[in-house]
Order: sequence, then structure tokens, then C-alpha cells
Amino acid sequence: SQELEQSPQSLIVQEGKNLTINCTSSKTLYGLYWYKQKYGEGLIFLMMLQKGGEEKSHEKITAKLDEKKQQSSLHITASQPSHAGIYLCGADMRGSNYKLTFGKGTLLTVNP
Amino acid sequence: GAVVSQHPSWVICKSGTSVKIECRSLDFQATTMFWYRQFPKQSLMLMATSNEGSKATYEQGVEKDKFLINHASLTLSTLTVTSAHPEDSSFYICSARPPGTGGRQPQHFGDGTRLSIL
Repeated sequence: SQELEQSPQSLIVQEGKNLTINCTSSKTLYGLYWYKQKYGEGLIFLMMLQKGGEEKSHEKITAKLDEKKQQSSLHITASQPSHAGIYLCGADMRGSNYKLTFGKGTLLTVNP
Repeated sequence: GAVVSQHPSWVICKSGTSVKIECRSLDFQATTMFWYRQFPKQSLMLMATSNEGSKATYEQGVEKDKFLINHASLTLSTLTVTSAHPEDSSFYICSARPPGTGGRQPQHFGDGTRLSIL
């Protein structure tokens, strides 16, 4: 099975609605990184989480890492069309030598 | 800060041609850069880790002679796809990690290169 599971694979929401994307690791994480990608473009760094229980926010996006450092969630409040894109979690796992393992991504569509 | 530039953004060339892709960190020095490949609707697949002044470390299944990596300076890594064939067509993305405590700084990505081999 995948070392890093991301869910859901795709999400369609109405503008103004809240949503959550999850990322679950089979191993304890040294760090968890959230990125956003527009199709055919590079990845934009959103947030980095390293400590168990850590929570960070930027504008309307909040990311959390659980106490066991194996699960992270990305929450968007009052979604807007500008939030649309592919959200990817990248995990720095024990023994990875600083390499990141990426989830398969969540395609977010926000309908106006 | 932490800007990574990748060039070219799009390449179309004939089968058998070698193609070079450049990845530059514009406002920081990167001892380590990474090269990824992404297939449509798939996640990023790490191809190799590029280390300044030493040989790249390739992931299992990635042909070293097909994908040549050179990291000649602290701000530039290049990926050369040698004798490219249609199956090499893909989206290639590089990233660079700024120096920091324990190396756990976030990777910053270029805008990617779409390679199409005819």
C-alpha cells in the first residue's frame, strides 16, 4: 500500500463552503509539507509542519499535524475560486534522507 | 524569497535529440536540488537528488545514462535527457532546498518543463 495516502482524490465545492483535505502516513514524519499546484505548472509552497500537534494558518488556509505525527489535514474556510487547484502533501519520513514522498494530490474545484 | 527558475518551460523535439533543462535557485544557494517527473493526473515521482560538487543519487528504476544530472554550482543544476524518445515525454519539475537546520527546510519548485518528443 501507499506510504502516503491523500484524500479525497477530488473535491467540488460551492464558493463560500469550508473543506478539508487529509494526508495520512504509514510512518512517523519528520515533517509534512503542503503545496498547491495549478495543472501544468510548478508547486507553490503553502505550509510546513514539524511538531506533533502543530497548527499553522495563512489567510483562510489552516494545516494541522496530529500528535503522533502521522496525519495532517488542510482546511480551507469560506472557499473562493482562487483556491481551486491541486493540493499535494509531501512527507519527510524517517529514514528518507530528506527526500519527500508526495501524495497523489487532491483536485479542488470551487464553483462560483 | 526562495525563488526557483526552470528553463525552458516547453520543449518539442524529434526522437533521438538530447534535451537540457536548467534549474536555478535565484535568491539562495542550494547544495541539494531534486528532479521529479509527473505524469498526467499523477503525483510527483522523484527521479534523482542532485548534490553540488558530487554525483547525483538516482532513484531505483531511473536510468543514469538516460537522465544526466550536473550540479556544477550552488545555484544551478541541469538535467539532460539523452537520445530522447516518445516515452520520455512528460512534465519534469525541479526543486531546491535552502540551507537550514537539519536540512528540513521546504523544497521550492520551479515552474516545470513540458517535454514532448515526436
